[in-house]
Amino acid sequence: DGGITQSPKYLFRKEGQNVTLSCEQNLNHDAMYWYRQDPGQGLRLIYYSQIVNDFQKGDIAEGYSVSREKKESFPLTVTSAQKNPTAFYLCASSYPYNEQFFGPGTRLTVL
Amino acid sequence: AQTVTQSQPEMSVQEAETVTLSCTYDTSESDYYLFWYKQPPSRQMILVIRQEAYKQQNATENRFSVNFQKAAKSFSLKISDSQLGDAAMYFCAYSGGYQKVTFGTGTKLQVIP
Repeated sequence: DGGITQSPKYLFRKEGQNVTLSCEQNLNHDAMYWYRQDPGQGLRLIYYSQIVNDFQKGDIAEGYSVSREKKESFPLTVTSAQKNPTAFYLCASSYPYNEQFFGPGTRLTVL
Repeated sequence: AQTVTQSQPEMSVQEAETVTLSCTYDTSESDYYLFWYKQPPSRQMILVIRQEAYKQQNATENRFSVNFQKAAKSFSLKISDSQLGDAAMYFCAYSGGYQKVTFGTGTKLQVIP
């Protein structure tokens, strides 16, 4: 079945640690995106990638990093520089001029 | 920069009745796409309906339809015969294509039995 997977579903981080959230898609989409969602709020774009080995900062990129070495994969690293990382993280992918397909999300909590 | 505004943080509707969720947007582009997404308590984002700006005809998907007013930059979602499973957060979104997608802040819909 085609789709987007995110892992883990729940992630706990100690202060000062870097953590990496996984996002994989087998839809053959060129574009992939990372969003952050805080309680009761909409989606804010962290990073997006239109093609392999290329990515652009979104609205809230500070404290995050990404890579796009393969078309299918777009991992997000939450670094220790991100001061308030507790949130729900959503990954999405799309063809050009089409709707985005979303993964099930990762809930990150800082201990 | 594009902006998307959903002015109704919460709405409620009686089961089997009709409800309309509002969305306005601001853009200088002439070619773009608009979407409504549903996020139930599971938090999985699900596409409800899409509208291409070059199409004058309003999109319809079963009980869901839109009222697209390009000149007014308005894109409302109408849900007919509301069901308990329609209860969710609804997000309006704008896309200029390969560019980033801009989401509104969402409307929480409650369906009353």
